[in-house]
Amino acid sequence: DAMVIQNPRYQVTQFGKPVTLSCSQTLNHNVMYWYQQKSSQAPKLLFHYYDKDFNNEADTPDNFQSRRPNTSFCFLDIRSPGLGDAAMYLCATSTGGRGADTQYFGPGTRLTVL
Amino acid sequence: QQQVKQSPQSLIVQKGGISIINCAYENTAFDYFPWYQQFPGKGPALLIAIRPDVSEKKEGRFTISFNKSAKQFSLHIMDSQPGDSATYFCAASATNAGKSTFGDGTTLTVKP
Repeated sequence: DAMVIQNPRYQVTQFGKPVTLSCSQTLNHNVMYWYQQKSSQAPKLLFHYYDKDFNNEADTPDNFQSRRPNTSFCFLDIRSPGLGDAAMYLCATSTGGRGADTQYFGPGTRLTVL
Repeated sequence: QQQVKQSPQSLIVQKGGISIINCAYENTAFDYFPWYQQFPGKGPALLIAIRPDVSEKKEGRFTISFNKSAKQFSLHIMDSQPGDSATYFCAASATNAGKSTFGDGTTLTVKP
């Protein structure tokens, strides 16, 4: 089945230790998104790629970076995780409708910062 | 500035009852309105969506009602079941915007 895969599902890191989360998709969608979701809150968009075109949200901290080496993969790098970065990180994809269509979410990576 | 306001924040309904969740938006450029369902520990998944050229869309027990003039849309879950207990997010997006705006979510609990 075509899907969005996130690895790892659970990630534990230490305060200040860099961490990378990965996302892959078999849907062949042009757009890939990274969201941060904290408990009982809506997903908060960090950035998205339309093909290789990178779009950063204005309030995304500089501590967060992303890479999309090809259509199928996208990575979220947190350079120096703080306690406030503990959250669920969701990857999503959509077709080339530039947002006016369905987003397909992965299962998420739960990040714990010690 | 929150562009999509969702209410209520939480909702408790008896099995077999009707669950109603409301959303209001501000941006008249929005032209796609999906509802996502999220279970604990899972990513959101599309439940049903509507475009503003229709006032209602029904899929099984789930119905979206859309009022363009009032800039409001709502999700109705008929014959609510315990398995419907989840968090529901409304969203809105505009063509060429590249992204969606989500409501804050409604936690639905359906009691047996």
